[in-house]
Amino acid sequence: DIQMTQSPSTLSASVGDRVTITCRASQSVSPWLAWYQQKPGKAPKLIIYKASTLKSGVPSRFSGTGAGTEFTLTVSSLQPDDFATYYCQHYNTNFPTFGPGTKVDIK
Amino acid sequence: QVTLKESGPVLVKPTETLTLTCTVSGFSLNDAVMGVSWIRQPPGKALEWLAHIFSNDEKSYSPSLKSRLTISKDTSKSQVVLTMINVAHVDTATYFCARSDLSVAGLCFDSWGQGILVTVSS
Repeated sequence: DIQMTQSPSTLSASVGDRVTITCRASQSVSPWLAWYQQKPGKAPKLIIYKASTLKSGVPSRFSGTGAGTEFTLTVSSLQPDDFATYYCQHYNTNFPTFGPGTKVDIK
Repeated sequence: QVTLKESGPVLVKPTETLTLTCTVSGFSLNDAVMGVSWIRQPPGKALEWLAHIFSNDEKSYSPSLKSRLTISKDTSKSQVVLTMINVAHVDTATYFCARSDLSVAGLCFDSWGQGILVTVSS
């Protein structure tokens, strides 16, 4: 199985901050990496797929980069609606796995 | 508009069999590029992928849970069913079904149901 890790596990930030979350895979998964946003009590929402492709309708302040085993999700200017938990997910095989999540909360 | 909705029991006893149904609309389970997965999330914990069914009826399971899971679909009813045998307290979670569109994004999930919280307790 491919294992996914994320750092940090929690991130405290303010509105307007630039925020970066890192996701690492135990082996190369390029380019099959997705990012999701989840708010309490809600289903996750896909925001980026194929490592850097923004899903239609997602604000352009979100961006994804990376290749091989290391990927990042960046929010260029954090907005009140962005406080949530973010998960990465590889789909390099037919056994996708999720990272443990990064909670972005208000500083 | 694509929608998915989970249904099933909210309380099951240890050792029982759990059967969950995902009813979809806005797309066809016969569409060659569409598939549906089940994903769960224990309270306060991370997401865990469980199983996937492709349009050609090919199935894929989490290696750690494969012996306990069965996924199937009824295209005439637009439903995907997940069966989990011999449930235990650790299976308490919110269970989501989610769609993948292989033509756009591969085996990641662009639409999700609202989830159903299943509690395993005697």
